[in-house]
Amino acid sequence: NAGVMQNPRHLVRRRGQEARLRCSPMKGHSHVYWYRQLPEEGLKFMVYLQKENIIDESGMPKERFSAEFPKEGPSILRIQQVVRGDSAAYFCASSPDRGVNEQYFGPGTRLTVT
Amino acid sequence: ILNVEQSPQSLHVQEGDSTNFTCSFPSSNFYALHWYRWETAKSPEALFVMTLNGDEKKKGRISATLNTKEGYSYLYIKGSQPEDSATYLCAPYQGAQKLVFGQGTRLTINP
Repeated sequence: NAGVMQNPRHLVRRRGQEARLRCSPMKGHSHVYWYRQLPEEGLKFMVYLQKENIIDESGMPKERFSAEFPKEGPSILRIQQVVRGDSAAYFCASSPDRGVNEQYFGPGTRLTVT
Repeated sequence: ILNVEQSPQSLHVQEGDSTNFTCSFPSSNFYALHWYRWETAKSPEALFVMTLNGDEKKKGRISATLNTKEGYSYLYIKGSQPEDSATYLCAPYQGAQKLVFGQGTRLTINP
């Protein structure tokens, strides 16, 4: 049973470009969470999604960031017009049910904005 | 904003010694407390999910206790080994559909 998969593992973008980060949850998991780790900071919640629904996006910046989890395919975290401050490690986690159960983390995508 | 505090922030322990650290969280609206272990260059890995006041969980040399009334949890490591070196994160789940992680305790085991 494959774990949570994220790609790419490393992504370099110039300021103003778009970044797309993908997350495939573990088989049988329909709950996906995105977290961000800024340099020298801890893990911060961004968004919680179930298939085709955004349940909680209270941790997402109001502009330029969006997330989706379509019926088919991976969850996508999209950052438009990236800025240097978006440079961070972005982790995805999945669970078979909501947050009372443990979450399984992917390896993360390290985004560098030049 | 949920305030989760972990102490100490970092800890150096001699191999073979036992150690423990603390996670403090608001006791209201409590559902569960998660402990994760995060090794450098890897992804966080779940250790325990604890739900009941007085709960104790154990995995090998690592154990944890939970006090939901006063809002704290302790993680204990017995007979530390170099492979225990990692950052240990706690995260309460308080029904707001998300985990709020503490800053973590960075543990280094000196051989």
